Amino acid sequence: QVQLVQSGAEVKKPGASVKVSCKASGYTFTSYYMYWVRQAPKQGLEWLGAINPGGVNTYYAQNFQGRLTMTRDTSTSTVYMELSSLRSEDTAVYFCARDGGDYASYFEYWGQGTLVTVSS
Amino acid sequence: DIQMTQSPSTLSASVGDGVTITCRASQTISSWLAWYQQKPGKAPKLLIYKASTLESGVPSRFSGSGSGTEFTLTIRSLQPDDSATYYCQHYNNYPYTFGQGTKLEIK
Repeated sequence: QVQLVQSGAEVKKPGASVKVSCKASGYTFTSYYMYWVRQAPKQGLEWLGAINPGGVNTYYAQNFQGRLTMTRDTSTSTVYMELSSLRSEDTAVYFCARDGGDYASYFEYWGQGTLVTVSS
Repeated sequence: DIQMTQSPSTLSASVGDGVTITCRASQTISSWLAWYQQKPGKAPKLLIYKASTLESGVPSRFSGSGSGTEFTLTIRSLQPDDSATYYCQHYNNYPYTFGQGTKLEIK
């Protein structure tokens, strides 16, 4: 069965960077786009960006241009999300998600979430 | 960017009732709309995609409709387990924005 397992909680100081991983299993890793979404405490869902199956193309939400980097390692079936210049407003649960395939860009599977806390 | 607006923000209903949640897109998105259910401390769960297609394993009490800019999620015969926050999301073009969510309370 499809599983997306994310790395554990992180505590970072303002100005630092964080890198969250999402290890996929149960399907052909190189056939699906992957996405990152975050949710600040008591807030809604915020779409961060996407990375294509080959890992060559990425798209980031405008609010995160220059601070967000998504990569994928096909040898380990893992995608990564790195956010730099962290500020307190970046405190949130970060989710990875996989779409449904060609012409099916809804989020069919989700990771369990990774809490990132930014605090001095 | 396409803005997604859900209404209402909160909703309270009794077991056995039916409810409808509305989602409006700021520009046409054809039928490229999904609905998710999220419970506290959990990842969202896909309910409906392509505006009206029920995801496998989701009870038939859930249904979606609409196209263009106006969409609805209807839940018939509410159960206690339906207490959650519901989000719409378009996937017409990047960025795939979400609605602000509708919190459903079961009385």
